Amino acid sequence: AQSVTQLGSHVSVSEGALVLLRCNYSSSVPPYLFWYVQYPNQGLQLLLKYTTGATLVKGINGFEAEFKKSETSFHLTKPSAHMSDAAEYFCAVRGSNFGNEKLTFGTGTRLTIIP
Amino acid sequence: EAGVAQSPRYKIIEKRQSVAFWCNPISGHATLYWYQQILGQGPKLLIQFQNNGVVDDSQLPKDRFSAERLKGVDSTLKIQPAKLEDSAVYLCASSLDDFGTQYFGPGTRLLVL
Repeated sequence: AQSVTQLGSHVSVSEGALVLLRCNYSSSVPPYLFWYVQYPNQGLQLLLKYTTGATLVKGINGFEAEFKKSETSFHLTKPSAHMSDAAEYFCAVRGSNFGNEKLTFGTGTRLTIIP
Repeated sequence: EAGVAQSPRYKIIEKRQSVAFWCNPISGHATLYWYQQILGQGPKLLIQFQNNGVVDDSQLPKDRFSAERLKGVDSTLKIQPAKLEDSAVYLCASSLDDFGTQYFGPGTRLLVL
């Protein structure tokens, strides 16, 4: 079974500041990890994903995340926040093997950008 | 490439009424998912189809919810009768197969009064 914990339901950062959204996971098998973004009244858009290989993953809109197995974490970062980054962000996990394909989401982090 | 289409985008009904949502997945995607997203929570999988067969419906309240995917393409999700606690956004997603990346539609926002 897999689960995700997102620390901080609301995060506020100033425009131009570092964005850090935290995600910790639990998985009984090697995980696949995802970050999705949801803008108001829209569906979820994939930002980035980790499956295998390089543990630092780069995504769209300047975001990146690092898979740290020892810390069971997959935190999302962006060096410089932009007003357009204001949205809700969801971390998700699934197993990497047959029988563990179900995607399990965290409760989300709402990111606010302060002008 | 067209994305996942859903309709309607918004629906307001009274409790005990019935409602249906429609989803058209990305062309060629064999796997289709319906999620329920309650305000303040992450999406929760209701049902997963592989072509027109059900793979996982363990979290679908089968006494009131039903879903079908005729011909392995479009899908409909029905609630009958609706309860207040069904107020949520219903998201449809599709993927090439059950291991592929899921792509989401814009969702249908349901309000039950």
